Amino acid sequence: AQSVTQPDIHITVSEGASLELRCNYSYGATPYLFWYVQSPGQGLQLLLKYFSGDTLVQGIKGFEAEFKRSQSSFNLRKPSVHWSDAAEYFCAVGAIYGGSQGNLIFGKGTKLSVKP
Amino acid sequence: EPEVTQTPSHQVTQMGQEVILRCVPISNHLYFYWYRQILGQKVEFLVSFYNNEISEKSEIFDDQFSVERPDGSNFTLKIRSTKLEDSAMYFCASNRESSYEQYFGPGTRLTVT
Repeated sequence: AQSVTQPDIHITVSEGASLELRCNYSYGATPYLFWYVQSPGQGLQLLLKYFSGDTLVQGIKGFEAEFKRSQSSFNLRKPSVHWSDAAEYFCAVGAIYGGSQGNLIFGKGTKLSVKP
Repeated sequence: EPEVTQTPSHQVTQMGQEVILRCVPISNHLYFYWYRQILGQKVEFLVSFYNNEISEKSEIFDDQFSVERPDGSNFTLKIRSTKLEDSAMYFCASNRESSYEQYFGPGTRLTVT
């Protein structure tokens, strides 16, 4: 069965420090991978996505993620964290059935806290 | 920039009552979804809708749930007889055909008392 694992429930980093949030997936075919961010009381905002091609993808707000097929991973990175990045981050894999759009399967999320 | 909208932002209802959650997807999108997030847990898929019919549903989406696109703009989720465990944030999402990129609304927080 398809699944997404985010092993870190809560991470705290200092402002200006680098960040890496881990995501591992289980999927039978080439996955469509996403990172979403959720600020308190808000909806889900798409940070970036991977469908095919270059395995290093750039997103909004200075985030990037690297798809590593051999490790079944899609880790999210940012070189310098800002206080406004404090939020919850969700990794998701998109299910595709017979070429048709399917649902997203989400990980449990990683809550990011930023120390001044 | 177009966005998915949802109403109401917060709904409080008594157990056993019917609720209808409303969503207006982005206008040129063709695929519509409902997800829910119980407090402190991950986002879970409920149902997808395309071409005026359900294309996929999860085991959560039982006979108490139904979806409808009553006109050209709204997409609704109905829970016929709410239970305490239906308390959650419900998200609507949509995407264009062949895009695979789902846009989420801000959510409706449903509280069942």
